[in-house]
Amino acid sequence: EIVMTQSPATLSVSPGERATLSCRASQSVSSNLAWYQQKPGQAPRLLIYGASTRATGIPARFSGSGSGTEFTLTISSLQSEDFAVYYCQQYNNWPLFGGGTKVEIK
Amino acid sequence: QVQLVESGGGVVQPGRSLRLSCAASGFTFSSYGMHWVRQAPGKGLEWVAVIWYDGSNKYYADSVKGRFTISRDNSKNTLYLQMNSLRAEDTAVYYCARDILEWELLNAFDIWGQGTMVTVSS
Repeated sequence: EIVMTQSPATLSVSPGERATLSCRASQSVSSNLAWYQQKPGQAPRLLIYGASTRATGIPARFSGSGSGTEFTLTISSLQSEDFAVYYCQQYNNWPLFGGGTKVEIK
Repeated sequence: QVQLVESGGGVVQPGRSLRLSCAASGFTFSSYGMHWVRQAPGKGLEWVAVIWYDGSNKYYADSVKGRFTISRDNSKNTLYLQMNSLRAEDTAVYYCARDILEWELLNAFDIWGQGTMVTVSS
């Protein structure tokens, strides 16, 4: 059974700084990984799929990388609207989400 | 615009049943696989079930297998989730979500509804 682990649980970042979020799979999921953003009281929003392909309308400051078991979501210059919880999700098997990383204002 | 709107949530006693609906608009509903994903209060996301674009195949998370049934009516552009034998641990916001791919299944989600809250409590 695959386990998805995100780190850190909370990331404190100042506006304009770079944020780097990690996601690790307990076994290879190839490039079958997506990233979502969720703000309080809202549904998740797809940011990245195929580990590195931005979804429609997603700003270029969001980028994804990795394959196999190690993945990274990078937000190059945090904007105020980017403070949220971010989830990774593997779809190499039935969908499974990581526990999330909360990006908060430092 | 592309939209999913859930309804049918509420408070229900343990052991009882509830049916959720998800009305789709702005896209060709009948050509997309559809999912239910839930989120317990203050917790992360959990995939619940998927149904093929034509309803021919359905799969469930182990936590709901045998109790929940996913279905769809393509003539009404509507997705359903019949939830039986509800337990306290089923308490969550339930989201319907569209699969990214048309005519195939990727098991990732590009369009989400706003969610409907289900509370299982005596």
